[in-house]
Amino acid sequence: SAVISQKPSRDICQRGTSLTIQCQVDSQVTMMFWYRQQPGQSLTLIATANQGSEATYESGFVIDKFPISRPNLTFSTLTVSNMSPEDSSIYLCSVTKVRGPGLNTEAFFGQGTRLTVV
Amino acid sequence: ILNVEQSPQSLHVQEGDSTNFTCSFPSSNFYALHWYRWETAKSPEALFVMTLNGDEKKKGRISATLNTKEGYSYLYIKGSQPEDSATYLCAFTSRAGGTSYGKLTFGQGTILTVHP
Repeated sequence: SAVISQKPSRDICQRGTSLTIQCQVDSQVTMMFWYRQQPGQSLTLIATANQGSEATYESGFVIDKFPISRPNLTFSTLTVSNMSPEDSSIYLCSVTKVRGPGLNTEAFFGQGTRLTVV
Repeated sequence: ILNVEQSPQSLHVQEGDSTNFTCSFPSSNFYALHWYRWETAKSPEALFVMTLNGDEKKKGRISATLNTKEGYSYLYIKGSQPEDSATYLCAFTSRAGGTSYGKLTFGQGTILTVHP
């Protein structure tokens, strides 16, 4: 399993400012994933954070808006830049671990960051 | 684009009722189907990971079935309790490699509220 500590758990921010969300994992992992859930929507993958290389962004998400750092195998940050009310969402970090002889993967999540932009 | 759909979007039941909800997913390149329970202010918690067509898994009062040929999974809760109130998410992983490796594509979730 994996235990992920994510902070802050919630924040209310002014539009135009930036917020950095941190995730610390209790074990080394190759990839960390950042998700967003806007109100009434699915959990949507923003990007995959790889240690030692640039993050890989999904369609519709760009590095200038969501810069990611991955300084080592247990830590990552996601910054939400130049925020607008549309960025109000729950942001989650996640890692996957292979479980059992069937090599199925299971995802583990941080507690989430509930962001409100006013 | 992978499409994972869950229904219903929300559900209100009385304590003791049994309930079920659906997750539909692409049947091609199937690798695994995941169910998660997400309670407010907590991390999503894995319930089941299923990979084989016809799989049935059970954890206490909660069970799930999988049909990979037609691309759907059902989650059942028997004798719902107020503590079952949560958002239930399903997620699909594809057999495709490369940049798809390890990625989960989530449905919108079913919000379950169990009234005492």
